[in-house]
Amino acid sequence: KAGVTQTPRYLIKTRGQQVTLSCSPISGHRSVSWYQQTPGQGLQFLFEYFSETQRNKGNFPGRFSGRQFSNSRSEMNVSTLELGDSALYLCASSLSDRGYAFFGQGTRLTVV
Amino acid sequence: GQQVMQIPQYQHVQEGEDFTTYCNSSTTLSNIQWYKQRPGGHPVFLIQLVKSGEVKKQKRLTFQFGEAKKNSSLHITATQTTDVGTYFCAGNTGGFKTIFGAGTRLFVKA
Repeated sequence: KAGVTQTPRYLIKTRGQQVTLSCSPISGHRSVSWYQQTPGQGLQFLFEYFSETQRNKGNFPGRFSGRQFSNSRSEMNVSTLELGDSALYLCASSLSDRGYAFFGQGTRLTVV
Repeated sequence: GQQVMQIPQYQHVQEGEDFTTYCNSSTTLSNIQWYKQRPGGHPVFLIQLVKSGEVKKQKRLTFQFGEAKKNSSLHITATQTTDVGTYFCAGNTGGFKTIFGAGTRLFVKA
């Protein structure tokens, strides 16, 4: 089976712009979670989707949003980018809603 | 809110020495997972523990889940340079959110 695929791998954006990141989960996995990873803050939970429904959300401002499509692929959007949004954004998919997850290689976003 | 504390933050060892990282939760966990992230890489799932007092081994790695299901540990025997990376624990209380510990970064000197 193919692993979790995230695109793009690297992205450079300017402050104030918006960005959309994509995640294709492992085939058959219906749960997709997003995390932000920064050197000082570790892995911070953004949100989790299951069958196109957001079931949980972390403590991030409304500029961070996401969605999941009927084929389980997920997108994450960040509007009005700030310098502090520079981070590695990781997507993880899992087969069951409370089980272990498989991570994609991440999208490294740099905001300048 | 729910927290998962992980210590130590960093650990430097000489190759061949043992290493242990500890994970503590403020609430009872339904399960706990361990992941390893190599420098420049992404977290890779190692193992999941579900039962109270559970102990699992993977070659030189030993994972334990506490009796109260609030703490866990990962022990590596005789570290090797290939063990370098950050080890994360992640706990789930039965909801749909997995909380990660801050990770323990392991440095191994040859």
